[in-house]
Amino acid sequence: AQTVTQSQPEMSVQEAETVTLSCTYDTSENNYYLFWYKQPPSRQMILVIRQEAYKQQNATENRFSVNFQKAAKSFSLKISDSQLGDTAMYFCAFMITSNAGKSTFGDGTTLTVKP
Amino acid sequence: EPEVTQTPSHQVTQMGQEVILRCVPISNHLYFYWYRQILGQKVEFLVSFYNNEISEKSEIFDDQFSVERPDGSNFTLKIRSTKLEDSAMYFCASSRDRVSTIYFGEGSWLTVV
Repeated sequence: AQTVTQSQPEMSVQEAETVTLSCTYDTSENNYYLFWYKQPPSRQMILVIRQEAYKQQNATENRFSVNFQKAAKSFSLKISDSQLGDTAMYFCAFMITSNAGKSTFGDGTTLTVKP
Repeated sequence: EPEVTQTPSHQVTQMGQEVILRCVPISNHLYFYWYRQILGQKVEFLVSFYNNEISEKSEIFDDQFSVERPDGSNFTLKIRSTKLEDSAMYFCASSRDRVSTIYFGEGSWLTVV
């Protein structure tokens, strides 16, 4: 069974600063995807970034980037130049390629960006 | 930008009643999913659906739950006889294929009283 662990229940950062959210996972599979989702107070689930396990290059999306360490089974999210609108719950998720859509989510990290 | 839409946004129902949550996936997507999130807890996979049949389901998805694609656009989740512990946010999601990104709807809040 796959597990996803987010060890930081809550984090805070000053506006314009950089913050890193941690995620580790456990699997015996070799082909999988990793995701970070953002859930603002509206409760909508918004995809932030996605990483294919076969790619060595870390994914980036504007101010969001990941540090994917496959051997260590670590997948952290870095948010640069934090904005007030980044305040949300962030979920790390894992999906085996062969299990269509069956993503396993971590417990989430509540991020507060302070003005 | 195309999006997954869900109705209702919020429903309150009496324990023991049947509930149907509706979803319109993104039009060119072929895989459909339901997830749920009990307040304060993580998002949990319920079921995936492809080619008019269930392709994966979790332990949560017992005989009380069913899914259906009644026409070319809607995808529904039915809870036959609701229990208090079914109170949660239910997310519908879809993807173009089995390895593409999953896009979530805005969720349907179900409150069972």
